[in-house]
Amino acid sequence: QKEVEQNSGPLSVPEGAIASLNCTYSDRGSQSFFWYRQYSGKSPELIMFIYSNGDKEDGRFTAQLNKASQYVSLLIRDSQPSDSATYLCAVNLEYGNKLVFGAGTILRVKS
Amino acid sequence: EAGVVQSPRYKIIEKKQPVAFWCNPISGHNTLYWYRQNLGQGPELLIRYENEEAVDDSQLPKDRFSAERLKGVDSTLKIQPAELGDSAVYLCASSLEGRAGNYGYTFGSGTRLTVV
Repeated sequence: QKEVEQNSGPLSVPEGAIASLNCTYSDRGSQSFFWYRQYSGKSPELIMFIYSNGDKEDGRFTAQLNKASQYVSLLIRDSQPSDSATYLCAVNLEYGNKLVFGAGTILRVKS
Repeated sequence: EAGVVQSPRYKIIEKKQPVAFWCNPISGHNTLYWYRQNLGQGPELLIRYENEEAVDDSQLPKDRFSAERLKGVDSTLKIQPAELGDSAVYLCASSLEGRAGNYGYTFGSGTRLTVV
């Protein structure tokens, strides 16, 4: 079992819709969780992080965490074509000061 | 504040040749990471430095890869000899010591290596 798993997609949503990206992780002791956005040919860019169970909102982005289910998600409201990118979920494992990344989900927002 | 700086941006070499990548972290960031990202995959950690010390190099293929971080600032990652399977993007990242779990870290622009 991989430490961090994501559906590779592509996930296609129409402009203005809500995009929902999901991630599961295996290390039950993990404490912090991150979402990075990566445009084609560019390096990953941090967009959200969450530590506590529940929701965290930042503009059009909402991160959701459920530690009991070992599940973290990212919601993007009012999706725009500029949101089309690969979204990487990353987890800070309990035993190391490092992030482990999932393979990413490709999001395509159609205008 | 300047971000993480990497060079070169692109590199094309023939197999069996050596190659080196350079990284300058954000000023004051004690922790430096080298990741490798294959096409369609997430970044995978190769090595982590705390100051000058390599504290996690379990994923570094030591038969052909080496890294150094002299004076705890700049770092160089070397491959010798390169193989076709080494074609990937090599990413450098940095964070304040022990704070990656709090704030994540910032990546450089990466070096895209193509081995032919």
